[in-house]
Amino acid sequence: DQQVKQNSPSLSVQEGRISILNCDYTNSMFDYFLWYKKYPAEGPTFLISISSIKDKNEDGRFTVFLNKSAKHLSLHIVPSQPGDSAVYFCAARDSGTYKYIFGTGTRLKVLA
Amino acid sequence: NAGVMQNPRHLVRRRGQEARLRCSPMKGHSHVYWYRQLPEEGLKFMVYLQKENIIDESGMPKERFSAEFPKEGPSILRIQQVVRGDSAAYFCASSPEGATNEKLFFGSGTQLSVL
Repeated sequence: DQQVKQNSPSLSVQEGRISILNCDYTNSMFDYFLWYKKYPAEGPTFLISISSIKDKNEDGRFTVFLNKSAKHLSLHIVPSQPGDSAVYFCAARDSGTYKYIFGTGTRLKVLA
Repeated sequence: NAGVMQNPRHLVRRRGQEARLRCSPMKGHSHVYWYRQLPEEGLKFMVYLQKENIIDESGMPKERFSAEFPKEGPSILRIQQVVRGDSAAYFCASSPEGATNEKLFFGSGTQLSVL
C-alpha cells in the first residue's frame, strides 16, 4: 500500500522555466510533508517542508503547496537551473508513529 | 558539526556472508531511521530506533535482518546470510528529539553488493 505517491517518474524543463513536481498521499495522520533532493551516489538532502496546518511555504526559488482536501502537494522551482537536475523525493511523517514514508521519486532534468 | 556518518561507503559480500552497516547520527540526535533503495526504486522504510529501543521495524524483512542502536556507539544494521537480492543502497537518517523537529538528515549511504 503506497501511502505517498509520485506518479511522474521523470520531468524535463527548460532552464529558466518553472518546474512543478507533484505528490499525492492517502494517510490523514501525516503532520509534516518534506521534499528531498538526491544526486547519484549521495544521500538525500533536505530542501523544504510544510506543516499540515499550512498551505504554502516558500524558501528562495522553492515553494511547496499543500492541498489537504485533495491530499496533494506540489513543489515549485522557479526559475529552474541546470544544477537542479536530480531525483526529488516527497516524504510525509506520520504524527502517531513518527515514521517517514517516501514516494518513489521524480527525476528532474533541467535543459540548458 | 559533522553530519550523519555511514560506513563503509561500499561493501562487497559473497552470498551467505554477513553484512554490518554502521551509522553515527548527528550530534544531539537520538532518533535513527534506516532506508533501503533498490536500483531505480524509491526509499523504502526499514526500521526506526531510539537509543536502546526499536520503535518501529515494520519495514524490516522478518528473517536475516536486525538493527540496534546501543546506548554508546553507532547504530548497526546487520544482514545475515546475504543473498543477491540484498544488493542495494542503504541509507541512515537521524533526527533530534521533539515533535517540532520534523527534518530527517541523511548520511551518504552504504552500497552493498552481493556477489
